[in-house]
Amino acid sequence: SAVISQKPSRDICQRGTSLTIQCQVDSQVTMMFWYRQQPGQSLTLIATANQGSEATYESGFVIDKFPISRPNLTFSTLTVSNMSPEDSSIYLCSVAIAGLNTEAFFGQGTRLTVV
Amino acid sequence: DAKTTQPNSMESNEEEPVHLPCNHSTISGTDYIHWYRQLPSQGPEYVIHGLTSNVNNRMASLAIAEDRKSSTLILHRATLRDAAVYYCILRTYSGAGSYQLTFGKGTKLSVIP
Repeated sequence: SAVISQKPSRDICQRGTSLTIQCQVDSQVTMMFWYRQQPGQSLTLIATANQGSEATYESGFVIDKFPISRPNLTFSTLTVSNMSPEDSSIYLCSVAIAGLNTEAFFGQGTRLTVV
Repeated sequence: DAKTTQPNSMESNEEEPVHLPCNHSTISGTDYIHWYRQLPSQGPEYVIHGLTSNVNNRMASLAIAEDRKSSTLILHRATLRDAAVYYCILRTYSGAGSYQLTFGKGTKLSVIP
């Protein structure tokens, strides 16, 4: 298993500013994912940040808006840039170990409110 | 994207078995069927997964149809702590040793005391 610590757990930010969310894992993992969950909705994958490669973004998400760093096997950050009220959501980090028969683990999420 | 279809909501009485259905008619041969649940104000939690055969673990059982186009998550005795949104997900291979979990809308399970 993997235990994920996300920081901050919540924040209220002014529009036009940026917030960096940290994801720390207690073990080395090959795959890290960032999701967004808007109020009352399901999870939407923003990007995949795997070991040794650039982050891969899903349709509708771009690197300029959501830059991701993955400096090592236990840590990643997601930045929400130039925020607007539409970015108010829960952002979740998820990790997995590459393999045919493995599950994913999720952090508790960062609740972001943009005012 | 591989997609799943689930009922929006279901109710169960406490201590009764619960069968949560999922349709995934576009599943491919390498897709694993995963189930996660999300309790209020928490991140999703892994429940169970399988490929072709039925699976059991301490939390639940997973029954997979022979053609793999549908599956059923079985909670043998629902408790109040099982009230959550349950997501049926296909884990799809995305190349270079990586995979994705694409979440559908899930089923909100309510447990009645």
